[in-house]
Amino acid sequence: GENVGLHLPTLSVQEGDNSIINCAYSNSASDYFIWYKQESGKGPQFIIDIRSNMDKRQGQRVTVLLNKTVKHLSLQIAATQPGDSAVYFCAENIHLAGDMRFGAGTRLTVKP
Amino acid sequence: DTGVSQDPRHKITKRGQNVTFRCDPISEHNRLYWYRQTLGQGPEFLTYFQNEAQLEKSRLLSDRFSAERPKGSFSTLEIQRTEQGDSAMYLCASSPPSGQSQFFGPGTRLTVL
Repeated sequence: GENVGLHLPTLSVQEGDNSIINCAYSNSASDYFIWYKQESGKGPQFIIDIRSNMDKRQGQRVTVLLNKTVKHLSLQIAATQPGDSAVYFCAENIHLAGDMRFGAGTRLTVKP
Repeated sequence: DTGVSQDPRHKITKRGQNVTFRCDPISEHNRLYWYRQTLGQGPEFLTYFQNEAQLEKSRLLSDRFSAERPKGSFSTLEIQRTEQGDSAMYLCASSPPSGQSQFFGPGTRLTVL
């Protein structure tokens, strides 16, 4: 299940497959990015972050890639599980600014 | 539980009433943020505090909204004369002095009838 190009509102993948969720951010001055996972009725849950001086960062089963040239961020989830089903948001921040600016989100559905 | 907590989790009110929400940040986090989220959208920034000081307010924060953090710990968000358009999830987040990572609470879902 790969979502190529601009992010789509929904992504459906088979359990065990890898997922790629894309995000185009808006501000070239943004220097910090977070991916959040949000399940229904809950607040956003921090997954992984990356600073603008990096282009890749890995966590447990997740990898974030940053391409500053085209202002693009992606989240890769390895071996997607049913518990990964949620809405995923990318968020950008400018150093010393208060607000995180969120994208519209992508709903990931994992089929057993 | 050492995460961000919010109270109440749900609030139903009639149009024109005032409501107040509370947020308790993660201990020792000096920055506290309020966001609003409507169905199908990402969270939208409302305001943030560094310790007691309210440093930034969004244009979304109309005159009917006020936020306080009197002792630099918990914060309250009050909405006066609620309108149906205020129905949303109100999220609180906090971040430590050393970083930009914002950690969110479970939110307060407001329904204005």
